[in-house]
Amino acid sequence: GQNIDQPTEMTATEGAIVQINCTYQTSGFNGLFWYQQHAGEAPTFLSYNVLDGLEEKGRFSSFLSRSKGYSYLLLKELQMKDSASYLCAVRIQAGTALIFGKGTTLSVSS
Amino acid sequence: GAVVSQHPSWVICKSGTSVKIECRSLDFQATTMFWYRQFPKQSLMLMATSNEGSKATYEQGVEKDKFLINHASLTLSTLTVTSAHPEDSSFYICSARMATTNYGYTFGSGTRLTVV
Repeated sequence: GQNIDQPTEMTATEGAIVQINCTYQTSGFNGLFWYQQHAGEAPTFLSYNVLDGLEEKGRFSSFLSRSKGYSYLLLKELQMKDSASYLCAVRIQAGTALIFGKGTTLSVSS
Repeated sequence: GAVVSQHPSWVICKSGTSVKIECRSLDFQATTMFWYRQFPKQSLMLMATSNEGSKATYEQGVEKDKFLINHASLTLSTLTVTSAHPEDSSFYICSARMATTNYGYTFGSGTRLTVV
């Protein structure tokens, strides 16, 4: 089966930096995605990695190491509105559905 | 940007009745749509993949006769929960794949189904 692991919960304070890790063991690999989801809402796209290395997008960066089956999402200058669930998802094959991890609930306090 | 409209946003129905959920891609053609289910504090679990004009492919453990999926056009896919039971209460989300980008997966806003 497919296995995608993330920590269940993390806490941080406003202005800080937080790193959310994701490890995966899947039958194939065609890209790794990070989504943000607020309670009761649909996920919104944050980042996409298919090659090794770091992708930076404003306050958010995502890193991928395919040989280690590992990714992380880095959030800088945390704001209260960043409190949400962060979902790591892997695409096994081009054009197929994303397979999601269980998500990491991030709580940002002042 | 790409928008997927999903409705209803929430629905309450009685046990034994059927509920239809619609997902429409508003400004692009979605050749493939994915249907997910999410239980409280759990992640999204893929239920099925539907391609326009063909039968849906269901994930293991998902009853195809209970969760009817129709994808009759490039902009509309529907999920009908038949003979709903309280255990079907969940958050259902559709996702459309845009063929024009490698990372173009757009999600609908979700439907909260409560079966009483």
